[in-house]
Amino acid sequence: SQTIHQWPATLVQPVGSPLSLECTVEGTSNPNLYWYRQAAGRGLQLLFYSVGIGQISSEVPQNLSASRPQDRQFILSSKKLLLSDSGFYLCAWSWASGGGADTQYFGPGTRLTVL
Amino acid sequence: AQKVTQAQTEISVVEKEDVTLDCVYETRDTTYYLFWYKQPPSGELVFLIRRNSFDEQNEISGRYSWNFQKSTSSFNFTITASQVVDSAVYFCALSVGPGNQFYFGTGTSLTVIP
Repeated sequence: SQTIHQWPATLVQPVGSPLSLECTVEGTSNPNLYWYRQAAGRGLQLLFYSVGIGQISSEVPQNLSASRPQDRQFILSSKKLLLSDSGFYLCAWSWASGGGADTQYFGPGTRLTVL
Repeated sequence: AQKVTQAQTEISVVEKEDVTLDCVYETRDTTYYLFWYKQPPSGELVFLIRRNSFDEQNEISGRYSWNFQKSTSSFNFTITASQVVDSAVYFCALSVGPGNQFYFGTGTSLTVIP
């Protein structure tokens, strides 16, 4: 079976500090990977998605970047955090059959507070 | 453009009552998929159901049931005999090809009062 891990679970960082959040998937190969942010208003905002190693699509211009150095690893980064980067970050994976049919399965999330 | 609307922001019911969560979607694609997810207080989104646009059969899974109506572009979710453990935020989502990008509604927060 497939599992998805995220770490850290919680993080408190000062403004201007760097950020690195990691997501890994087990039990599958060549998955599609996604980063979402959920701000206080509950809505889910897609930040990045990846269909393969080194292939990243950005949905929203922002202070963040993503990388996929290995098939089942997805990293969310920032060089300098802003207060507005606070939120709940969720990683998800799906099969890559395409056509919109694939269920996305979510990780446990990372709660980031920028002070 | 694709859009999902969950007009009910918050709902409170007393335990054992039935409750229906509304979801209305917009898309011009003829092939699309609809999903429901549950987000308990722990934060993780839990997948509940997937429906494709060619299958309008209603589905029942235990106390959960889903009513898909293309004529009204709705995919509503009913919990029968609600329990305190059903308290969570519920999200409806739409997916169209080819990139499998999800369009989420803003969620409905359900509180079941014992």
